[in-house]
Amino acid sequence: KQEVTQIPAALSVPEGENLVLNCSFTDSAIYNLQWFRQDPGKGLTSLLLIQSSQREQTSGRLNASLDKSSGRSTLYIAASQPGDSATYLCAVPDQGGSEKLVFGKGTKLTVNP
Amino acid sequence: DAGITQSPRHKVTETGTPVTLRCHQTENHRYMYWYRQDPGHGLRLIHYSYGVKDTDKGEVSDGYSVSRSKTEDFLLTLESATSSQTSVYFCAISGGTGSPEAFFGQGTRLTVV
Repeated sequence: KQEVTQIPAALSVPEGENLVLNCSFTDSAIYNLQWFRQDPGKGLTSLLLIQSSQREQTSGRLNASLDKSSGRSTLYIAASQPGDSATYLCAVPDQGGSEKLVFGKGTKLTVNP
Repeated sequence: DAGITQSPRHKVTETGTPVTLRCHQTENHRYMYWYRQDPGHGLRLIHYSYGVKDTDKGEVSDGYSVSRSKTEDFLLTLESATSSQTSVYFCAISGGTGSPEAFFGQGTRLTVV
C-alpha cells in the first residue's frame, strides 16, 4: 500500500528565506507526483505536476524535483513571502499510473514578515 | 478553479438522514473523485469515477454511495449520516487532454449532529 510522508509537519521561516519541503513515498513505481497548496478553508490548488520521465519542474519561485529511486520529492521555494503561507501537500498514484491519488498530511508553512 | 462547483458549500444535518453532495465540472475531464479531509488523517479517497456510470470504491467507502449519470456531474450520497461523517468533502477531477493533473473544488463542510 502506497504511503506518503511529509516532513516537517510545520515550518516557520522569516520572509526572504529559501526553503525546502520534503515528501517521501513507499512505492517508487509511480508515473507522476503532484504538489498542491491549500489555504485555510479552501480547496487544493495544483502547483506542479512532475511526470516520471522528468526530474524536476519549475513554476516561478517554485521548483519541484523527483527522485523515484529513493522515493523522494522536494519542493523548493525561493525568496519566500508571507503570501506563501499555506499548507503544502504532495500526492502520488496509489500504484503505477493509477488515477487514484494518495496524499501526504502536508507541511504547514508560515512565512513571517 | 478549473471549472469545478460543489454544492452545497455548507450543510448541517441530523444523524440518520440521507445527504447528497453534488460536484459539477465544466472541463469535460474523464475522472472524478470524492475525498474527505479530516485532522490527523489528511485527504482520503471515498469513491471515484472513470466514466459515465463507471465508479469504484476508495479507501473509506463504507456508508457512502456515488452516481455519475453525466460526464459533468458526480453525486456523493451518505445513505444514513453518522457523526463520524462530519468532515470536509472535496471533489476533484483529472484526465483532461490526457493529463493526470488533478484539480479540486472548494469543498463542502458537512456537520452531522
